Order: sequence, then C-alpha cells, then structure tokens
Amino acid sequence: DTGVSQDPRHKITKRGQNVTFRCDPISEHNRLYWYRQTLGQGPEFLTYFQNEAQLEKSRLLSDRFSAERPKGSFSTLEIQRTEQGDSAMYLCASSLVGGPDNEQFFGPGTRLTVL
Amino acid sequence: KQEVTQIPAALSVPEGENLVLNCSFTDSAIYNLQWFRQDPGKGLTSLLLIQSSQREQTSGRLNASLDKSSGRSTLYIAASQPGDSATYLCAVRLTETSGSRLTFGEGTQLTVNP
Repeated sequence: DTGVSQDPRHKITKRGQNVTFRCDPISEHNRLYWYRQTLGQGPEFLTYFQNEAQLEKSRLLSDRFSAERPKGSFSTLEIQRTEQGDSAMYLCASSLVGGPDNEQFFGPGTRLTVL
Repeated sequence: KQEVTQIPAALSVPEGENLVLNCSFTDSAIYNLQWFRQDPGKGLTSLLLIQSSQREQTSGRLNASLDKSSGRSTLYIAASQPGDSATYLCAVRLTETSGSRLTFGEGTQLTVNP
C-alpha cells in the first residue's frame, strides 16, 4: 500500500504518561502535516514539515508536544505528561510540493484516549 | 483569521434523493478548497479539490462548486445511496505565502436511509 500510514491506530494511556505516534508519508512526498481532531469537530492544524525542516507550528502545539522528521521521511509526534484534554484523533497528511494541486493525502489516524 | 462554516450540521435523506451540502469561508484569498469524506473512527478521504481559479469540479455523482468572491462552496450529491452515509468536511488552504495549513469546517453528518 502506498498511502499514508500511522502507528499505532489506537492508544490508551494514563494521565501523566508520555506517548509517541509515528507517521509514514507517501513515498517521496516532501511535506508532512499533523492535525488533531476532537469528537464532533473538524481537524485542527498542529504543525508541518518540508523535508526535515519544521516550518510552521500552531499555538495549539504546547510545550508538551514535540514533532520530528529527522531524515525527511517518517515523522514522530510525542506528547509528554498527557492530560485528559489530549484525547483526540491525531491525523497525519502528506503532499508533494510542485505536485498536482499540492493536494494533501491523509492517513487513518491514531486515536488517543487518556484515562 | 480564516473561519469555515458548514451547514447543515446533520442531514438525513431517503435513498435516491439529490442533496446539497454548504460550506462558507470568511477570507476569500484562498489557494484551493477540498471536500473530504470521513467514516466513523476513520481518516479522511479526499473527494474533490477546486483551485481558486476554478468554478467547479466533478467526480461521478459528486459536483463541487466554488464562488470565491462570496466565500462559498457547495457539494452536490446526485442520487444518494446508503453508502454515502458519512461526515463530509470542507477545508480551505490560504494562498501559498500564508502557509500550507488546511482550515476545516466542523462537517456535515449525512445519513442516507434505504
């Protein structure tokens, strides 16, 4: 499958624990995005990378959140000291700069539940 | 700040009916607009993308229109089927110099009854 993949698909954790999610973009897509979606709402932008450079961060991305894309391929999103308010679906997307329409393609998401 | 609104929030129709979903946005300086479908607990599937210079796009039973000056887009679904039941989201991307983020509406939850 050549689509965007995310791992894990579901994560249940206790408040205060750290969690890390992984996203593998479509091969050769140079832009990678993270969004967060809470129940009944549309996704909200968190951050994006072009190759390995993190070019934009939303104010939603508090100090407890960190994202990396070390070699310009896969990306990780880490949440430290999780809170119940972090419970959401975390969506990853990728696009190709200069590609047709620069369209973003989304992965299946990681559902986080903080108890 | 770009704001995107979708009306109605929920819609229930009998199978076979034609329907229109509405999306409005406050900043008309958009680069493009995308319509997505989301099934419960799943990721987003892109349905149609309209560039700012285009007026409409069609794919099968779906037709999306864009009126940038008035800040509106519609998604028309012809001959609806129970398999069309899902949440439909519209998202806008501002001009290239304003970054690459998509700003989403809250979605319209569509139920097509057999």
